[in-house]
Amino acid sequence: EIVLTQSPGTLSLSPGERATLSCRASQSVSSSYLAWYQQKPGQAPRLLIYSASSRAAAVPDRFSGSGSGTDFTLTISRLEPEDFAVYYCQQYGSSPLTFGGGTKVEIK
Amino acid sequence: QVQLVQSGAEVKKPGASVKVSCKASGYNFMSHAIHWVRQAPGQRLEWMGWINSASGKTQYSQNFQGSVTITRDTSASTAYMEVSGLRSEDTAVYFCARSRSTYMHDDFDIWGQGTLVTVSS
Repeated sequence: EIVLTQSPGTLSLSPGERATLSCRASQSVSSSYLAWYQQKPGQAPRLLIYSASSRAAAVPDRFSGSGSGTDFTLTISRLEPEDFAVYYCQQYGSSPLTFGGGTKVEIK
Repeated sequence: QVQLVQSGAEVKKPGASVKVSCKASGYNFMSHAIHWVRQAPGQRLEWMGWINSASGKTQYSQNFQGSVTITRDTSASTAYMEVSGLRSEDTAVYFCARSRSTYMHDDFDIWGQGTLVTVSS
């Protein structure tokens, strides 16, 4: 099973600042089958990024993904008030599909 | 509008079973697989298993093998997830999610709203 470790656990930032979230895999993620999701309290996750760097439909271009192999990054270039949430990475290249523990982006 | 609508919250006693439905609309049900994901309070998302909506083929996480059954009714564009032998640790929100394709190895582009299952004596 591929274990995904996200860091930091919590990121305290102000609106307008840049957020950099990390996701590290215990083994190489095949074909860069790595996705990022945003989840707000009481809501279902929302797909942001798939295949490590492709933005999902209707996702603002301030969200970008990068990385390959075992190290992946989600960057939010300038935080908007609606971006404060929990972010999860997921690998879907190997069974079982697995999620990271999440990074909470909170208002400083 | 593409959406997945899940059945309502359930309260069950330990040892009971629960069956959650996930009704798809706005797209060709058989063109996308359906996955099930569990989120226990304060815990990470946990993949339970998936079903190929066209063929009915399923695969389960080892953590849920034997206690979870995923099925679908193509005539109703609905997928189902049943958990048997419920324990208090199964108290969680259960999500269904659409795979981008019919394959298991794909991202989840549409999610249901979630169903809270509470297991309590």
